[in-house]
Amino acid sequence: DQQVKQNSPSLSVQEGRISILNCDYTNSMFDYFLWYKKYPAEGPTFLISISSIKDKNEDGRFTVFLNKSAKHLSLHIVPSQPGDSAVYFCAASSGSNYKLTFGKGTLLTVNP
Amino acid sequence: DAGVIQSPRHEVTEMGQEVTLRCKPISGHNSLFWYRQTMMRGLELLIYFNNNVPIDDSGMPEDRFSAKMPNASFSTLKIQPSEPRDSAVYFCASSAAVGSQYFGPGTRLTVL
Repeated sequence: DQQVKQNSPSLSVQEGRISILNCDYTNSMFDYFLWYKKYPAEGPTFLISISSIKDKNEDGRFTVFLNKSAKHLSLHIVPSQPGDSAVYFCAASSGSNYKLTFGKGTLLTVNP
Repeated sequence: DAGVIQSPRHEVTEMGQEVTLRCKPISGHNSLFWYRQTMMRGLELLIYFNNNVPIDDSGMPEDRFSAKMPNASFSTLKIQPSEPRDSAVYFCASSAAVGSQYFGPGTRLTVL
């Protein structure tokens, strides 16, 4: 039973355009959400997070949107750059639990 | 800061052999996590420790897997005996607070 789902295994965009990565969750107890980025042969690195008390969080070119009623979050990258090409993982946790539940990831390719 | 250190980076072994993966968390982090990444199942949490105590081992696949954290700066994940289906990338991560975790570079395990 996948509690965090990333339904698009891959996404390809042109440099300079917007990249939108989507994530859905089923567990209504989740109240903290994170995005991680992973390059080949490296571990995932933290990118941006959002608490359930907010619906948007922005950090430079990266913005995460949270729609609690739809149990959906998305990561927007504007403008996309070739160096953004990586696998992006969505993750969620609940309360004071340190445990993160990850989606399977979306491979983003930004073409020059 | 050196980040999370894992060794070895690559391990090739034969079915039935014992495999030990090692992890040094970031100094000062009080939580440590072991994950396994496969194409089929994505990133799965195997076990996590808080203050060197195992808190949740529900993700450990079977008795062939065991993990220890004898002190705050070292943890091992052992597979005995190993099987071909254990082939995966194993990540260690550490955290100082609820939310973001810092991942090591991973150990790519191949069991022949």
